[in-house]
Amino acid sequence: DAGVIQSPRHEVTEMGQEVTLRCKPISGHDYLFWYRQTMMRGLELLIYFNNNVPIDDSGMPEDRFSAKMPNASFSTLKIQPSEPRDSAVYFCASSFLVSGNTIYFGEGSWLTVV
Amino acid sequence: GEDVEQSLFLSVREGDSSVINCTYTDSSSTYLYWYKQEPGAGLQLLTYIFSNMDMKQDQRLTVLLNKKDKHLSLRIADTQTGDSAIYFCAEALKNSGNTPLVFGKGTRLSVIA
Repeated sequence: DAGVIQSPRHEVTEMGQEVTLRCKPISGHDYLFWYRQTMMRGLELLIYFNNNVPIDDSGMPEDRFSAKMPNASFSTLKIQPSEPRDSAVYFCASSFLVSGNTIYFGEGSWLTVV
Repeated sequence: GEDVEQSLFLSVREGDSSVINCTYTDSSSTYLYWYKQEPGAGLQLLTYIFSNMDMKQDQRLTVLLNKKDKHLSLRIADTQTGDSAIYFCAEALKNSGNTPLVFGKGTRLSVIA
């Protein structure tokens, strides 16, 4: 299996622009997670889906952030408009119901907003 | 409450043993995990321990679990420069179903040659 695939790997954008991060989970996994990692806050859970349905989005920082999962093999995290404080590494991860809670992470999308 | 605490930094000399500590607050946790994040990469599962075990050994890695004190540790024997990374402790909460894991902030291990 190719693992969790994220794109883009790196993005530099100007403040106010829309940013869309993409994720392809491991085939057959029922759960998909979006995390954000910064030096100050560590690893934060933003939102997670079960069978394409959002279960908990309490970690989404503001209305500027939105996430969708239109099908079992694709999810997006959108920031509109972006701000410099959104600069972070955004990880997508997926897991399978009976794997003992083992989560598999993608390589991350490194976002810089200038 | 759900909170996983780790020290942020650890520095050791090559060849020495490293011990990374973690405390958690939910006594009903079923599994406890150690993830490793190398520079510029995502997190990868390193090892895990089921809550009914006290110790697990895997080559240079030893995981110790003290349920009474809610303390988890990861010992790396003969630490190498390639072990330099951020190590995350994580717990699976029994009452939350399958997910999500609760992660600590990570311990940055620096290995000095």
